[in-house]
Amino acid sequence: DSGVTQTPKHLITATGQRVTLRCSPRSGDLSVYWYQQSLDQGLQFLIQYYNGEERAKGNILERFSAQQFPDLHSELNLSSLELGDSALYFCASSVGGGAYEQYFGPGTRLTVT
Amino acid sequence: GQQVMQIPQYQHVQEGEDFTTYCNSSTTLSNIQWYKQRPGGHPVFLIQLVKSGEVKKQKRLTFQFGEAKKNSSLHITATQTTDVGTYFCRSGGTSYGKLTFGQGTILTVHP
Repeated sequence: DSGVTQTPKHLITATGQRVTLRCSPRSGDLSVYWYQQSLDQGLQFLIQYYNGEERAKGNILERFSAQQFPDLHSELNLSSLELGDSALYFCASSVGGGAYEQYFGPGTRLTVT
Repeated sequence: GQQVMQIPQYQHVQEGEDFTTYCNSSTTLSNIQWYKQRPGGHPVFLIQLVKSGEVKKQKRLTFQFGEAKKNSSLHITATQTTDVGTYFCRSGGTSYGKLTFGQGTILTVHP
């Protein structure tokens, strides 16, 4: 158990819909990262927050947005969903920035039909 | 961000054989981290290398950081079926940026 929690575990929705994925970091971790992993693919970095502020952006679509709240939990919002958005979405947390190891949550599997 | 290329993409071995995956960068890396993702699981942090030429061991796993800090390797001696999974390297940095994972090496171990 990494200490990072993600909800829901599975999500099935239709094209055009909007969903919100939630992540609670490990106690004491200030950074939250979001990754997308498609079938047999690597980890595509989406976005990073540190103590409530956006710190780095990766290959995140404009239809996607995220935020980190004062209690440090984070939400990833995916809108106007397309079939190609079906993937495993991981949240990871770390104490600080890039020099620190990341602890991953169990992921949310999103299926868009 | 500090891009890293990882090879090979796939590796099939017989149980008992050795396995090595490589992580290469065109730029000097601040540090390198290695993660393992079991099938159906999430990536799990294995180790971090920081110093030039650093070598660290964890049981049958040996991690190396190149002298120029541009490449790294993970070597598994005498693989076991429990070693199956995807091994990722990640270029860490001292500041925030587009922190990147390598594409991963998918290891299959045949009993």
